[in-house]
Amino acid sequence: DSGVTQTPKHLITATGQRVTLRCSPRSGDLSVYWYQQSLDQGLQFLIQYYNGEERAKGNILERFSAQQFPDLHSELNLSSLELGDSALYFCASSQSPGTGNQGTEAFFGQGTRLTVV
Amino acid sequence: AQSVTQLDSHVSVSEGTPVLLRCNYSSSYSPSLFWYVQHPNKGLQLLLKYTSAATLVKGINGFEAEFKKSETSFHLTKPSAHMSDAAEYFCVVWAGFQKLVFGTGTRLLVSP
Repeated sequence: DSGVTQTPKHLITATGQRVTLRCSPRSGDLSVYWYQQSLDQGLQFLIQYYNGEERAKGNILERFSAQQFPDLHSELNLSSLELGDSALYFCASSQSPGTGNQGTEAFFGQGTRLTVV
Repeated sequence: AQSVTQLDSHVSVSEGTPVLLRCNYSSSYSPSLFWYVQHPNKGLQLLLKYTSAATLVKGINGFEAEFKKSETSFHLTKPSAHMSDAAEYFCVVWAGFQKLVFGTGTRLLVSP
């Protein structure tokens, strides 16, 4: 168990709908990352927050947004869902955001499997 | 830009034989490198990490990886495969800008 909790584990929804995925980081971790894993794209970095502030953005669509709350949990909001958004969404956390060239390992949750029908 | 290439999409071994999963990296500076494992319907678990200390890195479950700058490689090895090692393995590089960049993964199949 990594200590990172994601809810729900599975989500099935219709096209055009909006969903919210939730993540609780490991105790003491200030940094939260969101990743999307799909068969055709592999694991893609979406966005990172550190202590409530957005730190980095990856291949995140405009229909998607995220935030990190004062208690450090994070939510990923996906709207106007399309069939192609079906994927496994991972949240990860780390103590620090990483500095310059010195990386930091991240601890991943079990993921939320989103199926858009 | 930092990237990793996993040279094999699938590797098949017999239980008790050595495992070699190959990864080459591309980086304009001394990289931070990681190996993660994903078991079916599970999250990603950190196996080991290299952050410019010792070039031979030992991880969990008997895995280790060697950083070779001259070959720009970070191959993952294990002396003796176990059935429970069957999973997908990802080589990962720290790409700066606060993100990890994942390789395409290598599926390890272990036969009895």
